[in-house]
Amino acid sequence: GAGVSQSPSNKVTEKGKDVELRCDPISGHTALYWYRQSLGQGLEFLIYFQGNSAPDKSGLPSDRFSAERTGGSVSTLTIQRTQQEDSAVYLCASSPRLAGGPWVKTQYFGPGTRLLVL
Amino acid sequence: AQSVTQLGSHVSVSEGALVLLRCNYSSSVPPYLFWYVQYPNQGLQLLLKYTSAATLVKGINGFEAEFKKSETSFHLTKPSAHMSDAAEYFCAVTEGTGANNLFFGTGTRLTVIP
Repeated sequence: GAGVSQSPSNKVTEKGKDVELRCDPISGHTALYWYRQSLGQGLEFLIYFQGNSAPDKSGLPSDRFSAERTGGSVSTLTIQRTQQEDSAVYLCASSPRLAGGPWVKTQYFGPGTRLLVL
Repeated sequence: AQSVTQLGSHVSVSEGALVLLRCNYSSSVPPYLFWYVQYPNQGLQLLLKYTSAATLVKGINGFEAEFKKSETSFHLTKPSAHMSDAAEYFCAVTEGTGANNLFFGTGTRLTVIP
């Protein structure tokens, strides 16, 4: 079936502008994650959604970053007043909730959105 | 707290030679461990995972990894490198039950020399 999709694939914006990044998870996956991949800094967790539970926002670097997930499916990551240090590849992943336990959250990643802030 | 250390940001091997990419983890609870591969301009693809079953895990494309608790390691190996193996490889750890996110290493870029 279809994998995780993200749009746009590339985004160039000017410092101070707001941007929205979209993620469509794999159908039926209940968990959705956002990560940021910065040059020289590896992959950094941003936020996690699981079903209707309150999201885990512990990785968001500042209050300029927010995310929502509508209807338990599509998610949008919003960066307000973008700064040059926000330039990175933003990766989305989803995982199924396995029946029974323990949960072993294999995450399936999208191709990412490459953001460049000028 | 969990963390992953990948020794060697760049590894070069000759085509046909053994591939060894190192990963050491730190976790206060039994970990679940993953190796992902990232080809240029693509997302991460799962290579293999350790979930407390067999300690020797076989993955796609001929890769395997062995979980060694005494050494807190989960090194990735492949007996014979192919040109198509050139990519960036990430090791990741999660606590498992109830944990939300993966902690990634900084990655190892593998170059295969013809």
